[in-house]
Amino acid sequence: GQNIDQPTEMTATEGAIVQINCTYQTSGFNGLFWYQQHAGEAPTFLSYNVLDGLEEKGRFSSFLSRSKGYSYLLLKELQMKDSASYLCAVRDEGTYKYIFGTGTRLKVLA
Amino acid sequence: GAVVSQHPSWVICKSGTSVKIECRSLDFQATTMFWYRQFPKQSLMLMATSNEGSKATYEQGVEKDKFLINHASLTLSTLTVTSAHPEDSSFYICSAKWTSSLLTYTGELFFGEGSRLTVL
Repeated sequence: GQNIDQPTEMTATEGAIVQINCTYQTSGFNGLFWYQQHAGEAPTFLSYNVLDGLEEKGRFSSFLSRSKGYSYLLLKELQMKDSASYLCAVRDEGTYKYIFGTGTRLKVLA
Repeated sequence: GAVVSQHPSWVICKSGTSVKIECRSLDFQATTMFWYRQFPKQSLMLMATSNEGSKATYEQGVEKDKFLINHASLTLSTLTVTSAHPEDSSFYICSAKWTSSLLTYTGELFFGEGSRLTVL
């Protein structure tokens, strides 16, 4: 079966660093994606990992460990506009379907 | 990046009517599009995979006669909610994958703006 878990909500302070975890159990794996979604809007692509390790993109970094079925998204120098939901998605190897996790709602406080 | 446009952004209809939602890839050809449904404060639930020129593949539990999907061209997929009822009220989002030979392309999905359906 497919199972992707994330914390439901997180709160952090402006300027701080926050780490959003994602654990997955899927029948096949062909990459893990992180998306940002503001309320009432469509998701936008943040990062992609297919090999183990850390991928850095400005204030955002994403880490993957395939053996542990684990990823995290690291957000540095938090800004108020970072308040959004963050979705972890796994692409299935056989079907190429994208399965989304439950999403983490991040609130950034002043 | 690639652009996906979805229309309408929001629609209100009476119970029993049908509603069509369009999803267009504006600057690329999408042989495969995905339709998702999202309830408030929940994640995206894959409804079906739309393949150009062939029948859509529906996820378990999604009624294919209720949610008609047509992918007649490489740039357009439509979702028709037939005989809509209040429980069909939701946020529907389409997405497309760009078929690219670029080594730098990760295969991420490009999402439409979403369509909020309210059935009275």
